[in-house]
Amino acid sequence: AQTVTQSQPEMSVQEAETVTLSCTYDTSENNYYLFWYKQPPSRQMILVIRQEAYKQQNATENRFSVNFQKAAKSFSLKISDSQLGDTAMYFCAFMQQGGSEKLVFGKGTKLTVNP
Amino acid sequence: DTAVSQTPKYLVTQMGNDKSIKCEQNLGHDTMYWYKQDSKKFLKIMFSYNNKELIINETVPNRFSPKSPDKAHLNLHINSLELGDSAVYFCASSQYATGSTEAFFGQGTRLTVV
Repeated sequence: AQTVTQSQPEMSVQEAETVTLSCTYDTSENNYYLFWYKQPPSRQMILVIRQEAYKQQNATENRFSVNFQKAAKSFSLKISDSQLGDTAMYFCAFMQQGGSEKLVFGKGTKLTVNP
Repeated sequence: DTAVSQTPKYLVTQMGNDKSIKCEQNLGHDTMYWYKQDSKKFLKIMFSYNNKELIINETVPNRFSPKSPDKAHLNLHINSLELGDSAVYFCASSQYATGSTEAFFGQGTRLTVV
């Protein structure tokens, strides 16, 4: 069974600075997807960024980028120019390609952006 | 226009009661899910339906019964509610095996059993 580990329960960063959230996963599959979801206090789950395992190029979405290391099974999220609105829980998630398409989540990292 | 909508958003009920949570998606997706988020914020899949057929049932007590009347709806009925059922329940949808993979989530239903 796949597992996802987020080793940082809480992190904080000053506004405008850069922060990196860690995620490792365990799978024997070769084809899969990785995701970062954001959950602000409103409770809504929002997709931040997605990475296909077959792509070597790291995904980027504006201020958000990932460092995907397939051999090391590592998938970290970098947030540049942090904004107060980035304060949220961040969940790393794994989905096996061609399987049941369920998301397997890590336990989350609570990120606080300080003014 | 809300893509995935759940009702109600909050539900407070007594132990032993039976309750339902409704979910509807207007994205034309063929797969819908129920996830449970516990008090420590951990999210775990409960059920998944593809074209009204159950494809995932993750060791959930049989007091929980999902029902999918059509592709756009997946409701969750819970019998004999227990204190431990208190959690946030999320409905989600996606388009199965098309390479899109993005799951869209509803706003969650906070269930409190007293």
